[in-house]
Amino acid sequence: AQSVTQLDSQVPVFEEAPVELRCNYSSSVSVYLFWYVQYPNQGLQLLLKYLSGSTLVKGINGFEAEFNKSQTSFHLRKPSVHISDTAEYFCAVSAPLRGDMRFGAGTRLTVKP
Amino acid sequence: ETGVTQTPRHLVMGMTNKKSLKCEQHLGHNAMYWYKQSAKKPLELMFVYSLEERVENNSVPSRFSPECPNSSHLFLHLHTLQPEDSALYLCASSQDRLRGFYEQYFGPGTRLTVT
Repeated sequence: AQSVTQLDSQVPVFEEAPVELRCNYSSSVSVYLFWYVQYPNQGLQLLLKYLSGSTLVKGINGFEAEFNKSQTSFHLRKPSVHISDTAEYFCAVSAPLRGDMRFGAGTRLTVKP
Repeated sequence: ETGVTQTPRHLVMGMTNKKSLKCEQHLGHNAMYWYKQSAKKPLELMFVYSLEERVENNSVPSRFSPECPNSSHLFLHLHTLQPEDSALYLCASSQDRLRGFYEQYFGPGTRLTVT
């Protein structure tokens, strides 16, 4: 079965600085990769997803992620963060006929003024 | 209503109470999920329903009992819970669970506190 590891549980960063949230996955087959965001007292919302094709994926709110098959990674980046980006971010992986989506433990992004 | 809705948003119950959580999806999806989200722990997949049939039960205690009367509605019946069951319970739906490329859409969750 596939699995996903988020390498940082917490990432503090100052407003307008760039940020990278790291995600590594493990799978014996081709996978689909997702990033979700969870704001306080809300459910998870899809930021972006990689299914195939271009390895650089652009999502909502200025986020993007790069799929790297050789390093089995799918890191999330934003060139300049805002206070409103403070939230929990989850990386997830799925594969056809391999059971349901698996989520990482989450990374808490805190943007400071 | 659009997307995935959950009621109630907050619930406080004693250990001897019986209550139910409700989830409704307005997206025409055929798979629905219950997750438990506890502080400082990963999302735990509890139950999966596909076309109204339960297809996964991840060793969840019997004090949690799911019900899926149709493809739009999902319930989680609770009885004789323990304080460690206090958590955010999230419902999600997706168009299809087997092909892998459909994302899950989440409701806002029910914050459950067991006293």
